Order: sequence, then C-alpha cells, then structure tokens
Amino acid sequence: AQKVTQAQTEISVVEKEDVTLDCVYETRDTTYYLFWYKQPPSGELVFLIRRNSFDEQNEISGRYSWNFQKSTSSFNFTITASQVVDSAVYFCALSASGAGSYQLTFGKGTKLSVIP
Amino acid sequence: DTAVSQTPKYLVTQMGNDKSIKCEQNLGHDTMYWYKQDSKKFLKIMFSYNNKELIINETVPNRFSPKSPDKAHLNLHINSLELGDSAVYFCASSQDSDSYYGYTFGSGTRLTVV
Repeated sequence: AQKVTQAQTEISVVEKEDVTLDCVYETRDTTYYLFWYKQPPSGELVFLIRRNSFDEQNEISGRYSWNFQKSTSSFNFTITASQVVDSAVYFCALSASGAGSYQLTFGKGTKLSVIP
Repeated sequence: DTAVSQTPKYLVTQMGNDKSIKCEQNLGHDTMYWYKQDSKKFLKIMFSYNNKELIINETVPNRFSPKSPDKAHLNLHINSLELGDSAVYFCASSQDSDSYYGYTFGSGTRLTVV
C-alpha cells in the first residue's frame, strides 16, 4: 500500500520568508514517482514537479526547490522569498504500480498562507 | 484549447436526484481517472479507465457509475444523490496507466447536494 504524509496542516509565513513543506512517503515498490501539486483558492490543481524514484537529483525552478532523499523517504518542497501569490494548498503525491496499476495517492495537503 | 475539460463547473441539486458530470480530454491519453476532494481537501481516487476498460474501482457506493464511451471521455453518473456526496470531483488523464508522463487534471466540478 502507498501512503503520503504531510505532517504540516497549515503554515503561515510573512512575505519574503523561506518556507519548507514536508512530505514523507511509503511504498514497497522500487519504481515510483513523486509529485507536488498546488491548489490555489480558485480550486484547480496545478502541476509543479514530478520525480522518478531512480533520480535523486535535487531540482530548482526559480524560487522553488525540491529535496528528494530516498534514505528518509522524503520529498520536501522549499519556496524561497515567499510571495502572497504562493498562498495555496500544496499536495504531495505518490504513484507506484502497487496492485498492478498506477494511481496517485495524495497527502492531506499543507495550507500555506503568505502574509504581506 | 483545454486539455482536460469537465462540465459543469458547478452543480447544485437536491437530495435524491440523479446527475452526471462529463469529462473529455484532447491529449490522446489512454487512461482517465475520477478523484473526489472532500470538504477537508482530501483527494482520493474513485475510478480509473484505460482504453475504455475499468482498471481501478475504489470502494465507492454503487450509486456512482463511471462510463467511458471512448478513450477521450469518462463521465461520472451519480444516482440518488446524498448530502455526503457534496465535494469537488476532478477528472484526470495520463498516457497509459504508467504515470511516467504525469497526470493532467481538469478544473474540477463542485457538487453541492441540498
């Protein structure tokens, strides 16, 4: 069975602060994929990143960076110099073959509020 | 040109009614999904179809019935709606059932049962 844990339910930061959103996952599969999605107040799910289990290289995209560590089964997401537009619910998700077909298992999400 | 489109975006209906939500993707993907997001924002898969065949059917009431007339469409029909069905329903698609290529989500349908 797959499981994704986002221990932080809600985080508030002041604009321009850095913030890290934690994600811990569980799977018995050796091949799996990890995702982060952003859900702004408008409600749509915005894809941010996908990582494969065999690629532990960290990634940076503008103010966003991701730290993937298989040793601790974590895939954390950092926003540098946060902005009000970053306010959203962020979901970490895992996809693995599990019972023979891939499906996304989501964490419960972390609500980020960036205060001006 | 919307990749995954859902209609309607909002749906308000009374208990006991039957309603359908439509989903269409123009990405040429082989696999489509329905996810439910409850009031606490928790997202959970309901169904998955690959080339019109059901491959995932999570524990959902029999009142929910997916229908895939072709691989570009996956509709969700709900009979005898209940208050607890109120949620946001997301349609998604991916290339094959392998998530290597990632998932594309529709913008969601907010269902309110009164």
